[in-house]
Amino acid sequence: DTGVSQDPRHKITKRGQNVTFRCDPISEHNRLYWYRQTLGQGPEFLTYFQNEAQLEKSRLLSDRFSAERPKGSFSTLEIQRTEQGDSAMYLCASSFEWGTEETQYFGPGTRLLVL
Amino acid sequence: AQSVTQLDSQVPVFEEAPVELRCNYSSSVSVYLFWYVQYPNQGLQLLLKYLSGSTLVKGINGFEAEFNKSQTSFHLRKPSVHISDTAEYFCAVSDGAGGGSYIPTFGRGTSLIVHP
Repeated sequence: DTGVSQDPRHKITKRGQNVTFRCDPISEHNRLYWYRQTLGQGPEFLTYFQNEAQLEKSRLLSDRFSAERPKGSFSTLEIQRTEQGDSAMYLCASSFEWGTEETQYFGPGTRLLVL
Repeated sequence: AQSVTQLDSQVPVFEEAPVELRCNYSSSVSVYLFWYVQYPNQGLQLLLKYLSGSTLVKGINGFEAEFNKSQTSFHLRKPSVHISDTAEYFCAVSDGAGGGSYIPTFGRGTSLIVHP
């Protein structure tokens, strides 16, 4: 397995358009996380899935954001009616919950620019 | 609630010199601690982690970190840096109590700049 992959790597869109990002986790990982990273900041948690269930959402995840993980494999993050403030790097991470130890492995990210 | 403070936003250093990147955390519960590295236009790569046991943790690329509970610190060190170590470094803390997700809280990052 080559790790977590994300598509696209870059996206430029106009304000008001909808965008969708995809994340393919490491195949045996049951947890999948989405983060947002703005310039000069560390990643901020958005939401996470255990298998296909979305278990937690951050207050950062406004109602314009929706995430899915059908069948507990890949995940999509959709942003509706994009705003310039949505410009950021969107990172996906996956992990395998095993007892009390868990390490997240990150994908390369999708960089979004909203004009 | 947890928080992480990375005391230096930028650390310039000459090649082959030692370096320390500082990280302090606050948490009301036991913690897991992590250091990640991010190269330009890439995702985060795990350098090392502290879960329990020995307070000195060795990671990849010659990095190590020491967990100091009394000072709530988890500083990252390398005895001799290379040009290729130039990158952004993030310290992160998560709840070590178990029984739930391990959503880390990240610091703002420290930019390590290695000069020839």
